[in-house]
Amino acid sequence: AQTVTQSQPEMSVQEAETVTLSCTYDTSESNYYLFWYKQPPSRQMILVIRQEAYKQQNATENRFSVNFQKAAKSFSLKISDSQLGDTAMYFCAFSGYGGSQGNLIFGKGTKLSVKP
Amino acid sequence: DSGVTQTPKHLITATGQRVTLRCSPRSGDLSVYWYQQSLDQGLQFLIQYYNGEERAKGNILERFSAQQFPDLHSELNLSSLELGDSALYFCASSAWGGGGTEAFFGQGTRLTVV
Repeated sequence: AQTVTQSQPEMSVQEAETVTLSCTYDTSESNYYLFWYKQPPSRQMILVIRQEAYKQQNATENRFSVNFQKAAKSFSLKISDSQLGDTAMYFCAFSGYGGSQGNLIFGKGTKLSVKP
Repeated sequence: DSGVTQTPKHLITATGQRVTLRCSPRSGDLSVYWYQQSLDQGLQFLIQYYNGEERAKGNILERFSAQQFPDLHSELNLSSLELGDSALYFCASSAWGGGGTEAFFGQGTRLTVV
């Protein structure tokens, strides 16, 4: 069974600085997808970034980028130029590759606080 | 706004009771997922429906059941409720339900069992 581990329950960063959230996962599959979701206090789950395991290039979305290390089964999220609106819970998630593999397996989350 | 609508937003009920949570997916999405978010278990996948049929099952208790109707809305039925069932229940929808498909989440139903 796949598992996703986020080892940092809480982190804080100063506004405008850079922060990296860690995620490791375990799977025996060679093709899969990884995601970072953000859950602000409004509790809405928002997709931040998505990585396809068969693509070696790390995904980037504006100030958000990932460091995907397939051999190490590591998938960290870097937030550059942190903003107050980035304060939220961040969840790393895994999904399989096949037609019935759309469900997400989530880590426990990292609570990020951006301080002014 | 994700386009996924969940009702009700909040629900308070007593132990032993039965409740129904409703989800309307985004227009055109065929797949619906249900997730439970609790403090001790985190976010857990419960069940997935695709175009009216059960597609995948996760950690869903036997006291819980779900269905997806011809108009693609879905309902999650929780019965014989226990205090431990108190949680945030999310519905998500996606276009086709395979791996990697972006899932859009509703705002959740906060269930409190007293």
